[in-house]
Amino acid sequence: AQSVTQLDSHVSVSEGTPVLLRCNYSSSYSPSLFWYVQHPNKGLQLLLKYTSAATLVKGINGFEAEFKKSETSFHLTKPSAHMSDAAEYFCVVSSRSGSSNTGKLIFGQGTTLQVKP
Amino acid sequence: SAVISQKPSRDICQRGTSLTIQCQVDSQVTMMFWYRQQPGQSLTLIATANQGSEATYESGFVIDKFPISRPNLTFSTLTVSNMSPEDSSIYLCSAWDRNTGELFFGEGSRLTVL
Repeated sequence: AQSVTQLDSHVSVSEGTPVLLRCNYSSSYSPSLFWYVQHPNKGLQLLLKYTSAATLVKGINGFEAEFKKSETSFHLTKPSAHMSDAAEYFCVVSSRSGSSNTGKLIFGQGTTLQVKP
Repeated sequence: SAVISQKPSRDICQRGTSLTIQCQVDSQVTMMFWYRQQPGQSLTLIATANQGSEATYESGFVIDKFPISRPNLTFSTLTVSNMSPEDSSIYLCSAWDRNTGELFFGEGSRLTVL
C-alpha cells in the first residue's frame, strides 16, 4: 500500500527566506509523487511531479522537490518565499495496483505555509 | 491539458435534501474520480466513476449515500443524498488520462448543509 506523511502541519517563514516542506512516502513500487497547492477558496494546482525521471524536479513559481529513495522523502523547497506562497500544500502519491498506476491519488494531511512580512 | 468544469461551484442546502454535482471535462479521459475535502482536512477519495457501469467506492463510502453516474468519457455526476451538516465539504472531480499520465482537478463544489 502507498501512503504519504507530511511532517509539519504548519510552517511559518519570513518573506525572502527559504521554504522547506517535508514529506515522506511509503510505496512498494517506484512511486509517482506530486505536490499540489491550494490557495484559500481556490482549487488545487499542481506544483510539480516526479515520475521516475530526474530526481530533482522543478515546478512552477520557483518550487522544486528532490526524490530521495534512500530516505523515502520528497521534500518541497523554494529559495525565497513570497507573500503569495501562503497556502495549503499537499504531498501526494499515486496509488498503484501491482505495478500499474490506477490514477487514484493518496493525499497527505497538508501543510499550511504562512509567510510573514 | 484538460479543463474540468464543476457545477454548482457552491450551494447551501437544507438537511435531508439531495444535491447533484456535475463534472464536465473538455476532452475524453480514461478515468474520473470524486474526492471530498471536509473543512480543514485533506482530500479523501470517494469513488472511481466508471463509464457505463457502477462506480467503485472506497472504504467508508456507499452508493446509497453518494450515487455516481458516468454516461460517457467526458461527464460524471455525484449526488450527495439525504444530506446532513456532516456532509458540508468541498467535493472535487478529477480526471486522469492514462495515456499521458496527466491528472486534472476541477475547482470543486463547496456545499454547506444547514
